[in-house]
Amino acid sequence: GAVVSQHPSRVICKSGTSVKIECRSLDFQATTMFWYRQFPKQSLMLMATSNEGSKATYEQGVEKDKFLINHASLTLSTLTVTSAHPEDSSFYICSARTPLTYEQYFGPGTRLTVT
Amino acid sequence: AQTVTQSQPEMSVQEAETVTLSCTYDTSESNYYLFWYKQPPSRQMILVIRQEAYKQQNATENRFSVNFQKAAKSFSLKISDSQLGDTAMYFCAFPANFGNEKLTFGTGTRLTIIP
Repeated sequence: GAVVSQHPSRVICKSGTSVKIECRSLDFQATTMFWYRQFPKQSLMLMATSNEGSKATYEQGVEKDKFLINHASLTLSTLTVTSAHPEDSSFYICSARTPLTYEQYFGPGTRLTVT
Repeated sequence: AQTVTQSQPEMSVQEAETVTLSCTYDTSESNYYLFWYKQPPSRQMILVIRQEAYKQQNATENRFSVNFQKAAKSFSLKISDSQLGDTAMYFCAFPANFGNEKLTFGTGTRLTIIP
């Protein structure tokens, strides 16, 4: 149980375009999902907390107009990187928290490359 | 602010041996959870074990066990009979308290199991 999927696993886009990443909880309802960014050989950096039916809460220093987060249902959250630039290239990971406990279950990640 | 410190950036051990990864943290809360996550080369984050701070008994999951010292704010992970598949980055993490959904991650320990 507690499986989280993420799509796509890899994406290459051109500078200035937008790209959407989907995160789905497959076998449980996730009222809260999280989006992280991970640079090579570093720890996870929380970007935002996504609650179903409400606006996402962004961490300090994360541009909310650049990283649009939508949590439209209890099983789906999306991250859209708008007007992507090469410095946005990174590994993006989502997670979902189970309703009754505090651990987070993670998606397999999306490697974004902006050319 | 909650902080998590992993003082061992890299470790290596022979297959079948036992290894202990250290983690210290700082919090003003009395009730909280602690987690160890594993990130193998696939980069999929996997929950290894969790500990509830109000429980005195150390958590155990098969070959994985923790040494939780609440007063010292120490939460180490012991891997017994290490296997090649244990090669991964290991992150210690915890939410601020029962009501805080965000996880604070340590910087990670890169563990290599040598055949």
